[in-house]
Amino acid sequence: GAVVSQHPSWVICKSGTSVKIECRSLDFQATTMFWYRQFPKQSLMLMATSNEGSKATYEQGVEKDKFLINHASLTLSTLTVTSAHPEDSSFYICSARRTTPYNEQFFGPGTRLTVL
Amino acid sequence: GEDVEQSLFLSVREGDSSVINCTYTDSSSTYLYWYKQEPGAGLQLLTYIFSNMDMKQDQRLTVLLNKKDKHLSLRIADTQTGDSAIYFCAEKGGFQKLVFGTGTRLLVSP
Repeated sequence: GAVVSQHPSWVICKSGTSVKIECRSLDFQATTMFWYRQFPKQSLMLMATSNEGSKATYEQGVEKDKFLINHASLTLSTLTVTSAHPEDSSFYICSARRTTPYNEQFFGPGTRLTVL
Repeated sequence: GEDVEQSLFLSVREGDSSVINCTYTDSSSTYLYWYKQEPGAGLQLLTYIFSNMDMKQDQRLTVLLNKKDKHLSLRIADTQTGDSAIYFCAEKGGFQKLVFGTGTRLLVSP
């Protein structure tokens, strides 16, 4: 099956610093990737849709200047949490959409971010 | 907008059947999915069903879809302790985006 990886799997940072999370599709090309956020004991909330070679589409209420998304290649999307604060602590999950043989999303294992 | 609801918690004994329910609001959904999430991990796709189907069976998993009532269920036969996890239903809404339910925590006791 298709594999999506995330790096790092967990990160602890100080308040005010920026953190970059990578999402890679390992054995397929993905023109579209998605970034989700999951708070403890809650569902996944879509933050943004990452499109290769163009700007990401952010969901309502998500600050695009705070959560920078770059999808520079068909196998890599990055999410940078800028000037992180404790309230940004969460589990961030990406998914990549494979279109052949049919449309299907494959999820990464997630990145746990803790901001002190 | 799209809204997907699930019961929060289900507890069963090993060997019993588990039934996890989900209701959704978007009648135009073409696909409905069930995902499993183990602690600290990402999501694993278990199964999915096309909106023009009523039932789909895949080994121990049976998915029932009542499109009129916008109700989806996942039945796990012969539930094992390894099935303990959080189960999310999801619908494919506009712009190919997945909308996830609130998640059901399944606890299987020996």
